[in-house]
Amino acid sequence: GENVEQHPSTLSVQEGDSAVIKCTYSDSASNYFPWYKQELGKRPQLIIDIRSNVGEKKDQRIAVTLNKTAKHFSLHITETQPEDSAVYFCAANQGGKLIFGQGTELSVKP
Amino acid sequence: DSGVTQTPKHLITATGQRVTLRCSPRSGDLSVYWYQQSLDQGLQFLIQYYNGEERAKGNILERFSAQQFPDLHSELNLSSLELGDSALYFCASSGTGATFGGYTFGSGTRLTVV
Repeated sequence: GENVEQHPSTLSVQEGDSAVIKCTYSDSASNYFPWYKQELGKRPQLIIDIRSNVGEKKDQRIAVTLNKTAKHFSLHITETQPEDSAVYFCAANQGGKLIFGQGTELSVKP
Repeated sequence: DSGVTQTPKHLITATGQRVTLRCSPRSGDLSVYWYQQSLDQGLQFLIQYYNGEERAKGNILERFSAQQFPDLHSELNLSSLELGDSALYFCASSGTGATFGGYTFGSGTRLTVV
């Protein structure tokens, strides 16, 4: 089955710096890769997603890149702000369900 | 409000007991998924239902079971509870069709087994 590895597990940056979180997946049939943000005690919320027919997608300060050949995808957050502090999860679809990475705890220091 | 409703929000129960968690999917969504999130852990897939039928099973213990009813709400039953079952249980729903579009999560049920 699908296996999704996510790195790093924790990431601390200064406000205004960029943050990059990387994920790899194992199932070459996966074609949908969302990213979720989870604040403490709250539900995961979709922040951006990418499909396998696209190499990059941007939404304001957030971008995701996908390398199908290498089976990895990354989340890029620019000009980080304290409110970006949260746990971020990548995921890949396996059939009609999502398999999640272990999460990255991002801390943005003012 | 995401449109996915989970009840109860909190549940405290003793070891050996049985509990039922309930989820109402977003209007129009036919698929319901259950995930377990333990402390400092990721989101572990338990089970998926689609329009009343079990569609996929993950690492769900035999003590756990689920079903989806004709009105599309779903229930997750946890029995013979152990301390290690303490976790946040999320339900999510998704639309259908040729292009899978990800999930909408409910707010979760925090289960504490004492």
